[in-house]
Amino acid sequence: NAGVMQNPRHLVRRRGQEARLRCSPMKGHSHVYWYRQLPEEGLKFMVYLQKENIIDESGMPKERFSAEFPKEGPSILRIQQVVRGDSAAYFCASSPPVIQITDTQYFGPGTRLTVL
Amino acid sequence: QKEVEQNSGPLSVPEGAIASLNCTYSDRGSQSFFWYRQYSGKSPELIMSIYSNGDKEDGRFTAQLNKASQYVSLLIRDSQPSDSATYLCAVIPGGTSYGKLTFGQGTILTVHP
Repeated sequence: NAGVMQNPRHLVRRRGQEARLRCSPMKGHSHVYWYRQLPEEGLKFMVYLQKENIIDESGMPKERFSAEFPKEGPSILRIQQVVRGDSAAYFCASSPPVIQITDTQYFGPGTRLTVL
Repeated sequence: QKEVEQNSGPLSVPEGAIASLNCTYSDRGSQSFFWYRQYSGKSPELIMSIYSNGDKEDGRFTAQLNKASQYVSLLIRDSQPSDSATYLCAVIPGGTSYGKLTFGQGTILTVHP
């Protein structure tokens, strides 16, 4: 079974450009979480999505950031007009379709975004 | 007050010793607790989960939970150099019915030969 896949693994953007980060959950998983890890900081929750639904986006910055998880295809985290402060590692995690707080989340390898 | 607090370390122990990692949390309603290990440049890897007061053992790892004291710890017995990593304590806040994890800052562990 393939694990959680994220691409690209490394992304370099110039200030003002757009960044698109993709996440394909584990087979059979329909819940996706996005987390951000800024340099020298801990992991911070950003957003929780199910297929075609945003359930909790309380950790998303109010501007420039959006996320989606369409019926077909990967989940996308989109950052518009990137700034240097967006440079971070972005991790996606997936969990099974039955919601339980004991569900294990499986993390992808992450996308390391560098903004020049 | 941070929601989940850990000593950032670094914690240095000799090979074969017991490493003790500690974590406190502020939300008394929290019910699910996790320890993740993260090697430099890699993604977090789940080591242990614990939901009830007391101890839970898995191989060389023991997680301890004390909800009254809002404290969770991880003991690593017979520490190996390969255990050198950052250890992240994570909690699911009270009243949350899904896996929204709140992480501590992480404790850097170094096991020296």
